[in-house]
Amino acid sequence: NAGVTQTPKFQVLKTGQSMTLQCAQDMNHNSMYWYRQDPGMGLRLIYYSASEGTTDKGEVPNGYNVSRLNKREFSLRLESAAPSQTSVYFCASRKPGGHETQYFGPGTRLLVL
Amino acid sequence: AQSVTQLDSQVPVFEEAPVELRCNYSSSVSVYLFWYVQYPNQGLQLLLKYLSGSTLVKGINGFEAEFNKSQTSFHLRKPSVHISDTAEYFCAVTGGETSGSRLTFGEGTQLTVNP
Repeated sequence: NAGVTQTPKFQVLKTGQSMTLQCAQDMNHNSMYWYRQDPGMGLRLIYYSASEGTTDKGEVPNGYNVSRLNKREFSLRLESAAPSQTSVYFCASRKPGGHETQYFGPGTRLLVL
Repeated sequence: AQSVTQLDSQVPVFEEAPVELRCNYSSSVSVYLFWYVQYPNQGLQLLLKYLSGSTLVKGINGFEAEFNKSQTSFHLRKPSVHISDTAEYFCAVTGGETSGSRLTFGEGTQLTVNP
């Protein structure tokens, strides 16, 4: 049982390049989330998926798109990366009716030059 | 809408001293409250949570927190800290299913335990 996994662990992009961050969970959780973490700002929600087939915007969705590929996988795409998207990205999942606890992956560090 | 304020960005303490990390929240609905810990270069790990019932909540690694509805606070405490407690701590709130179980985080408090 690996929990929540994220790939890649680290990535360097040039401005304007695109990439997809991958997230998978093996806990049969319904809900999945993408956050970004910036110094002094805590974690901010980018997008979330309450269940397979649904996605909703969070606090900072601009410049990102998501895909809930199936119950296990939730990907985050940057179509045209900008230096302001340099951050650490965390994926999380939550079990159905499970007292609201979210379980986090190890994170992806992204540097946009 | 909901928000969280962690009143201290950095808390330095000596080993074996007590510590309190302060967290205030605001919300228009009933809330669930959480404390997460992040060790260097790692993801977030749940320390403890308040859902309902007893206002004093005990978590892992000897931490506890008290929910105070009248003061809208959820402060984290430990009576005696260890070097290994050095980490960043995040307070978070959610309004539950009515808000998609979206977590709103505070800015974080860096706890540094010195020998």
